[in-house]
Amino acid sequence: TAGITQAPTSQILAAGRSMTLRCTQDMRHNAMYWYRQDLGLGLRLIHYSNTAGTTGKGEVPDGYSVSRANTDDFPLTLASAVPSQTSVYFCASSPAGLAESTDTQYFGPGTRLTVL
Amino acid sequence: GQNIDQPTEMTATEGAIVQINCTYQTSGFNGLFWYQQHAGEAPTFLSYNVLDGLEEKGRFSSFLSRSKGYSYLLLKELQMKDSASYLCAVRDRDYQLIWGAGTKLIIKP
Repeated sequence: TAGITQAPTSQILAAGRSMTLRCTQDMRHNAMYWYRQDLGLGLRLIHYSNTAGTTGKGEVPDGYSVSRANTDDFPLTLASAVPSQTSVYFCASSPAGLAESTDTQYFGPGTRLTVL
Repeated sequence: GQNIDQPTEMTATEGAIVQINCTYQTSGFNGLFWYQQHAGEAPTFLSYNVLDGLEEKGRFSSFLSRSKGYSYLLLKELQMKDSASYLCAVRDRDYQLIWGAGTKLIIKP
């Protein structure tokens, strides 16, 4: 089983350009998440979706947008990239959603993005 | 503010035991998670605690004290493949996961 896939694996992007990071899960999980991971910092939540058709803002949403048209896909778009968005981006999913204490998140392999 | 504290790095010897501590100050508590992350890879789920006490899962155990805002991950019979970062995360009252920066564990032969 694939679990969660992300594309691309890595990307170098010129500042000011737009880009969409793709995330697909085949586990029929209700909730999906986008995190960024920077050296010396914990994972920081960018946006999340508790179920298809709904999205919410996380800790660091500025400069990013998401959509959740169906259960499987949760793309993350950078409208106009800036160097501070250089990071490793992880997509995750969980069966139930944020309102469940035991709900466990499962992560994709990540996308390493460099903005120059 | 909300805060998760873990040591930045630890070193241990193959075959030994190591304890990785995590202290937290969060708005409410709805469970604590430990994840393992090998370099360049995704975090993978290790354990979950919501009640005080020890949860054992093979060579790995996780302990929680809610009154002290404290947890530890205990790794026994260390193997070279255990070299990784270990992430502590707490689910707060709004069910948001708050993540620590992780502890890089180096295993030496």
